[in-house]
Amino acid sequence: NAGVTQTPKFQVLKTGQSMTLQCAQDMNHEYMSWYRQDPGMGLRLIHYSVGAGITDQGEVPNGYNVSRSTTEDFPLRLLSAAPSQTSVYFCASSYWGGGEQYFGPGTRLTVT
Amino acid sequence: AQSVTQPDIHITVSEGASLELRCNYSYGATPYLFWYVQSPGQGLQLLLKYFSGDTLVQGIKGFEAEFKRSQSSFNLRKPSVHWSDAAEYFCAVGNSGNTPLVFGKGTRLSVIA
Repeated sequence: NAGVTQTPKFQVLKTGQSMTLQCAQDMNHEYMSWYRQDPGMGLRLIHYSVGAGITDQGEVPNGYNVSRSTTEDFPLRLLSAAPSQTSVYFCASSYWGGGEQYFGPGTRLTVT
Repeated sequence: AQSVTQPDIHITVSEGASLELRCNYSYGATPYLFWYVQSPGQGLQLLLKYFSGDTLVQGIKGFEAEFKRSQSSFNLRKPSVHWSDAAEYFCAVGNSGNTPLVFGKGTRLSVIA
């Protein structure tokens, strides 16, 4: 099992550019989520999904879009990057939302 | 709504000393409780979890935690800290449904010789 994989590992964007952070899991988990981690702020939930075709907003959804067309994949889209989106992004998956989360290795994003 | 408080932002302990990291939660029903560790530049790894049963749970790397319902706490302990334990530690509260896990803001542990 590869677990939860994220690509890319590092990314630098210019303000206004768009990009997609990829997340995939091979554990047949129904629940997937995206967090951002900033110094002193802990983990903040961006979006989550309880199954294919179902997504919902977390604590900090503005500026991000998600979709869940398959159980395995949960991409995070930045439509127009802003410096405030400079952060480390983690994808996680689990059998259910309130259960043990399995985390990917993270994507470090810098927006200049 | 669920919430988690980790009162200590940063703790420094000497190698070989004992460790206790505090976690307090707020949740109306029986919580599911977790401790995760994050080494620098890495993702989060599960140390231990509590769902039900014995209130003292054992985890990986010699860690344990005790669930105290009366105090709404789930403190993490280790009898003798190693330099490799230096990391950030996150407490989280969950449930049996699909309400997302709620994380505390983390406690950074430094270990000195």
